[in-house]
Amino acid sequence: EVQLLESGGGLVQPGGSLRLSCVASGFTFSSYAMSWVRQAPGKGLEWVSIISAAGSNTDYADSVKGRFTISRDKSKNTLYLQMSSLRAEDTAVYYCAKDAGNWKRYFDYWGQGTLVIVSS
Amino acid sequence: EIVLTQSPGTLSLSPGERATLSCRASQSVSSSYLAWYQQKPGQAPWLLIYGASSRATGIPDRFSGSGSGTDFTLTISRLEPEDFAVYYCQQYGSSPTTFGQGTKVEIK
Repeated sequence: EVQLLESGGGLVQPGGSLRLSCVASGFTFSSYAMSWVRQAPGKGLEWVSIISAAGSNTDYADSVKGRFTISRDKSKNTLYLQMSSLRAEDTAVYYCAKDAGNWKRYFDYWGQGTLVIVSS
Repeated sequence: EIVLTQSPGTLSLSPGERATLSCRASQSVSSSYLAWYQQKPGQAPWLLIYGASSRATGIPDRFSGSGSGTDFTLTISRLEPEDFAVYYCQQYGSSPTTFGQGTKVEIK
């Protein structure tokens, strides 16, 4: 059974940093690209970032480019999102999402999400 | 980037009725790379349809997707109580991948 478990969310001040983690199980982690998708309170879904299966390729939404960094650790079956220079508009539930392949860019499994609140 | 516009915003129907949800793209979606997700309150999205018309694993056949180019449709042939939720379309043919704003299917 595929499981994705996010952690690391919380309350952070504007301009601050936070690192999200997503532990994956139930599939061969190193064979699939992974993404982060966020959802602001009461709003729709916004793709944030993707990393290829091997970790050699990444891409970001313009809204986070230069501020967020996606990475993965094959030995720990873990996906990360390092977030810096956080803004109020980054407030959202952040979902870890398994790619349906390697860079297909649609998502066949999602975690339950971790809430990030950026506020003073 | 491709903008997806979903209509209607809210669909009020009774169990057993047919639901037809629309997703229109601002430009053609290459290779019909269009997916549909269901999201219930407090839960993560769940993949229903990919490639515009292929059902994901375990999705009942009352869910069907159709369309190409700029116009896509998700049809739920007979609504079950568990189908009342928000539905999102997503295009993944062009970068960045984008989502529609969602259609809420509510009990009438």
